[in-house]
Amino acid sequence: GAGVSQSPSNKVTEKGKDVELRCDPISGHTALYWYRQRLGQGLEFLIYFQGNSAPDKSGLPSDRFSAERTGESVSTLTIQRTQQEDSAVYLCASSSDRGKGYTFGSGTRLTVV
Amino acid sequence: AQSVTQLDSQVPVFEEAPVELRCNYSSSVSVYLFWYVQYPNQGLQLLLKYLSGSTLVKGINGFEAEFNKSQTSFHLRKPSVHISDTAEYFCAVRLQGAQKLVFGQGTRLTINP
Repeated sequence: GAGVSQSPSNKVTEKGKDVELRCDPISGHTALYWYRQRLGQGLEFLIYFQGNSAPDKSGLPSDRFSAERTGESVSTLTIQRTQQEDSAVYLCASSSDRGKGYTFGSGTRLTVV
Repeated sequence: AQSVTQLDSQVPVFEEAPVELRCNYSSSVSVYLFWYVQYPNQGLQLLLKYLSGSTLVKGINGFEAEFNKSQTSFHLRKPSVHISDTAEYFCAVRLQGAQKLVFGQGTRLTINP
């Protein structure tokens, strides 16, 4: 597609439920990143995928968070047993040239009630 | 580890006035530098980036930034702002050889008529 697509754009979930967020990167982009943006704060790195290499999971805040990506296609970020502090906008970005240019999606706004 | 400091959380200016948004970083190795803009309820859009070469970088919408290695700064400037420039601005750094962007906390630019 023309840009990075994220779905859903908004998600309201009850505390304790699992949620799955989807990112569809720009075709041909080998690198994919997930960031979290809490209200009024900057972007917090979560995880990075590069081709078939092992992902960099160093930013995942707890074992309730996981992400998958098959090859150079869609990625899903899963949050298990959601907590209120998980409420944030989750942004996905992709890149074709080893990090010299990133294109961000519009994000998924997650609200845990 | 590298870090990014945006010295002003909020900057109010009058329309047609000049503006400078400050960004300092800490890193012991060479870096790539980026400025992103986030309009209300939208994703991040790249304004400009410094990879190498000329330290004065020009971006979209009349913005420019200057890389100052000795002061480890990458301040963003615009000589005359418009109401439409009202947004959140994020400075980001990536170490050469690393893959993830590290973001500052953001500066909210508000343009008053």
